[in-house]
Amino acid sequence: QSALTQPPSVSGSPGQSVTISCTGTSSDVGGYDRVSWYQQPPGTAPKLMIYDVSNRPSGVPHRFSGSKSGNTASLTISGLQAEDEADYYCSSHTSTNTYVFGTGTKVTVL
Amino acid sequence: EVQLVESGGGFVQPGGSLRLSCAASGFTFSNYWMHWVRQVPGKGLVWVSRIYTDGSRTSYADSVEGRFTISRDNAKNTLYLQMNSLRAEDTAVYYCARGHSVGYGSDYWGQGTLVTVSS
Repeated sequence: QSALTQPPSVSGSPGQSVTISCTGTSSDVGGYDRVSWYQQPPGTAPKLMIYDVSNRPSGVPHRFSGSKSGNTASLTISGLQAEDEADYYCSSHTSTNTYVFGTGTKVTVL
Repeated sequence: EVQLVESGGGFVQPGGSLRLSCAASGFTFSNYWMHWVRQVPGKGLVWVSRIYTDGSRTSYADSVEGRFTISRDNAKNTLYLQMNSLRAEDTAVYYCARGHSVGYGSDYWGQGTLVTVSS
């Protein structure tokens, strides 16, 4: 159950787009459309932003979108806003019927 | 309003035991998978365990298999995590989270309870 690989940090100016990658294996990310993404501002509990690769829960802004290609999933934030500054984690269901999170990415709005 | 409130965290010596509880309200608890996730302060999220709606199926991370037991009492709307043979590396904030109703993901989280394992 090795953690999924994410870049430690990404940054962008307000209005720009940023993309966070999440790389796993065929036993997790690549094997199922069961990838989710979470936003966690400092000192708060995680918030679900995307489920099943590309679905947004109600209330999540449309500027957040998810996709997947092979063993890599991606979260894109379009039209970056100051309130988007937070840590982001991906997660995937696995072939052993467990879950695994990514290493986390800090998004900084310049 | 959906609410998840964890309790039971605290300070325990290595080898000791602790039972965490998560009180759920604002939804039909018995209809949802539930998870425990932990996080060392300043570090990343780590999935710990999951339990089916009626408690008949469970799964665990390798790091806690055989030491931790997840359970639930649907009559009391409460999720539990029994933690035995605790180690220093189990020190973390423990969150309970609700499985999404139609997909894979956790859509509501508690605020967490801190477990510190130290001599």
